[in-house]
Amino acid sequence: QAVLTQPSSLSASPGASASLTCTLRSGINVASYNIYWFKQKPGSPPQYLLRYKSDSDKRQGSGVPSRFSGSKAASANAGILLISGLQSEDEADYYCMIWLSSFWVFGGGTKLTVL
Amino acid sequence: QVQLVQSGAEVKKPGASVRVSCKASGYTFTAYDINWVRQAPGQGLEWMGWMSPDTGATGYAPRFKGRVTMTRDTSISTAYMELSSLTSDDTAIYYCTSNKPSTGDFDSWGLGTLITVSS
Repeated sequence: QAVLTQPSSLSASPGASASLTCTLRSGINVASYNIYWFKQKPGSPPQYLLRYKSDSDKRQGSGVPSRFSGSKAASANAGILLISGLQSEDEADYYCMIWLSSFWVFGGGTKLTVL
Repeated sequence: QVQLVQSGAEVKKPGASVRVSCKASGYTFTAYDINWVRQAPGQGLEWMGWMSPDTGATGYAPRFKGRVTMTRDTSISTAYMELSSLTSDDTAIYYCTSNKPSTGDFDSWGLGTLITVSS
């Protein structure tokens, strides 16, 4: 079972909100981890979006709009990236990441389509 | 502004080694760690390892241990990643990224270096 599981794809309409999930493997408690989120458009390097551990411990990337936010769903043992007011330029691949046992681990990524 | 400028694309034969460079500017090179992340064609991101330009300390992902070496030359603010015993599975874009030590705030990224392994 992968350490971090992300749905491979998600579609949403312009102006709507999208919740991208990053589910941690059983036995890895989401409450204990910083969840990092990155956005990547084709042909470009990843872009740092934000870090989320809790509402009182989080960091927004420089220049990242506030409509990108992080949260957690404890019952699902998942980190969540919420994108509100979807725009066409939000169409991209999104990756989550955590630090686990002295290594950085990425999720497999979610391709977000805005249509 | 922070910039990470990587070396150019290379084609290598199976079994060979490759060294990718990452020249930093716009900040104090020794104040931030350098991580290397790769992305095979059409695939996701894969973390390879980190290095402290300050101390030279390194940490490598298990699947690359023994094959990867990360070094730096502080006199020219440049980090290097060398990968040996290349196979076609190593064909990928290799990115360097800088971060405050002990965080995953990978704020700055190089544009990537395409390494193609082909006979």
